[in-house]
Amino acid sequence: SYVLTQPPSVSVAPGKTARITCGGNNIGSKSVHWYQQKPGQAPVLVIYYDSDRPSGIPERFSGSNSGNTATLTISRVEAGDEADYYCQVWDSSSDHCYVFGTGTKVTVL
Amino acid sequence: EVQLVESGGGLVQPGGSLRLSCSASGFTFSSYAMHWVRQAPGKGLEYVSAISSNGGSTYYADSVKGRFTISRDNSKNTLYLQMSSLRAEDTAVYYCVKDRKAVAGHDAFDIWGQGTMVTVSS
Repeated sequence: SYVLTQPPSVSVAPGKTARITCGGNNIGSKSVHWYQQKPGQAPVLVIYYDSDRPSGIPERFSGSNSGNTATLTISRVEAGDEADYYCQVWDSSSDHCYVFGTGTKVTVL
Repeated sequence: EVQLVESGGGLVQPGGSLRLSCSASGFTFSSYAMHWVRQAPGKGLEYVSAISSNGGSTYYADSVKGRFTISRDNSKNTLYLQMSSLRAEDTAVYYCVKDRKAVAGHDAFDIWGQGTMVTVSS
């Protein structure tokens, strides 16, 4: 089955840039979606189709995808961005297999 | 306001059954595929099951195949998950999730409910 690997944690100072990677075999050929989950809350979609932002998501959130790595970038990080972030793809080689990454805890210093 | 509200969670013994429901409002429920995603305590997200907008196609993770059944009643704007032969490893918060499209596929999950807790324990 398809595996998505994320770093367990990323720490960033306020106002700086956080980059969260999502590694997978030839992930650049797939559509990657990103979700933010704050403690005790349901996940929220922050990036879809690699780099599109849903309405209401700040422009500080951006995404890219190429080769074996997809990246979620959070610019000008704020305290409110502290959360777990998950990448997700649909693995068409399996029977409608949706795969989530292992998750990354973003800590704002 | 677009909203998904899950219900039906609780404590059940191993081998038991439970039916989860998800009531949808604020959007045309019958136009979108729907999903269940779960999260064990302190763990990451795990995909469980999907159903197309008209209910004609269903999909399951290998971990629940043969034990769980997803269904929907578009006249009642409600999604269901019938769970049987429950195991301790099924203990999790179960989220009802809306797809951006009618057919389950490579699109994203744009609306999530608040989840309902299922605990499988004797």
